Amino acid sequence: GQNIDQPTEMTATEGAIVQINCTYQTSGFNGLFWYQQHAGEAPTFLSYNVLDGLEEKGRFSSFLSRSKGYSYLLLKELQMKDSASYLCAVRAGELTGGGNKLTFGTGTQLKVEL
Amino acid sequence: DTGVSQDPRHKITKRGQNVTFRCDPISEHNRLYWYRQTLGQGPEFLTYFQNEAQLEKSRLLSDRFSAERPKGSFSTLEIQRTEQGDSAMYLCASSSTGTGGRTEAFFGQGTRLTVV
Repeated sequence: GQNIDQPTEMTATEGAIVQINCTYQTSGFNGLFWYQQHAGEAPTFLSYNVLDGLEEKGRFSSFLSRSKGYSYLLLKELQMKDSASYLCAVRAGELTGGGNKLTFGTGTQLKVEL
Repeated sequence: DTGVSQDPRHKITKRGQNVTFRCDPISEHNRLYWYRQTLGQGPEFLTYFQNEAQLEKSRLLSDRFSAERPKGSFSTLEIQRTEQGDSAMYLCASSSTGTGGRTEAFFGQGTRLTVV
């Protein structure tokens, strides 16, 4: 099975940098995803890691260490609109394509303050 | 609009009634997923289709739940004899079987079900 842990809440200041951690234990691994979800809205895709290392995409970066079962999402130059829930999700299944489902953590509610 | 669409957006029903939700995925996506999300939680996997074949069902999906994707395009999720515990946001997502492993799922806006 899958077990995914991330902090429930975080608070940061506008313009600052925040790191949201995610640890996971899985019976199979085929990629880790980060999604952003504003209240009452659908989750939207932010980033994807399947190999160890850092993936950068504008103000957002995501890091993966498969040996440690660990990922983080880094948000730079925080803006008020970044206040949202950030969901860490692990995809299990074979790389050749069986079972593409995502297992999500409970989400980290980020509050950006002035 | 070429995103994932779900209908209805909101549904209020009395306990014991049946409800059906519809999902229209992104047209070129062959995979379709249903998830359920309650307040303060991440989405929980319910079931998954590749084309018209239902390949996996979660143990969360009791006998009162059934999903179909008859022509490999839109999908329906039916809940029979609804219970108050069924109150949640039901999310649909779709993805493609792309190469290189990066086949992120795109989510619809969800159907919020309230059972009274």
